[in-house]
Amino acid sequence: AQSVTQLDSQVPVFEEAPVELRCNYSSSVSVYLFWYVQYPNQGLQLLLKYLSGSTLVESINGFEAEFNKSQTSFHLRKPSVHISDTAEYFCAVRGSGGSNYKLTFGKGTLLTVNP
Amino acid sequence: KAGVTQTPRYLIKTRGQQVTLSCSPISGHRSVSWYQQTPGQGLQFLFEYFSETQRNKGNFPGRFSGRQFSNSRSEMNVSTLELGDSALYLCASSLAVLAGGNYNEQFFGPGTRLTVL
Repeated sequence: AQSVTQLDSQVPVFEEAPVELRCNYSSSVSVYLFWYVQYPNQGLQLLLKYLSGSTLVESINGFEAEFNKSQTSFHLRKPSVHISDTAEYFCAVRGSGGSNYKLTFGKGTLLTVNP
Repeated sequence: KAGVTQTPRYLIKTRGQQVTLSCSPISGHRSVSWYQQTPGQGLQFLFEYFSETQRNKGNFPGRFSGRQFSNSRSEMNVSTLELGDSALYLCASSLAVLAGGNYNEQFFGPGTRLTVL
């Protein structure tokens, strides 16, 4: 079984400030890790994923996350946020083997970017 | 390619009624998963269907059921609705290529918001 803990339910920041959204996971097997973003009244969009290889993964809109196996973490960072980054962010995990496509999500972090 | 579509987008029901939600996956995708999203419990996995068979199931009561058709479209049904069933129900589809446990990204639909009065 897997579990995900997002340590902050809300993170308010000012525009152009850096931000870090924290995510820790627990699993007895190798995992794939994901960050999804949800804008109001919309479904989930994949922001970035770690499958294997380089532990630092990046998205096209400036977010990055680093997989740290020893600390079982997958924190999401952005050096300078924009108003349009205001959304809820979900960290998720699933086992890397077999045919189990179940995603286990954290409770989410609401990022609010203020002018 | 069209994305995952879910119908209806909004639904209002009363306690005791039943409801059926529909999900059409991306063309060519064979796996459909359903998730329930509530403010209190967050996102929880309901079940996953592949080739018309339920392959994985979450911890929900038997009132929650689903099925998948030969064209990969899926429906989920909730019988004897309770107030606590009010939620956003999300459907996700993926290619589900099975060889070697390959990763297959899940693409989410916009959801159906169910309100139980």
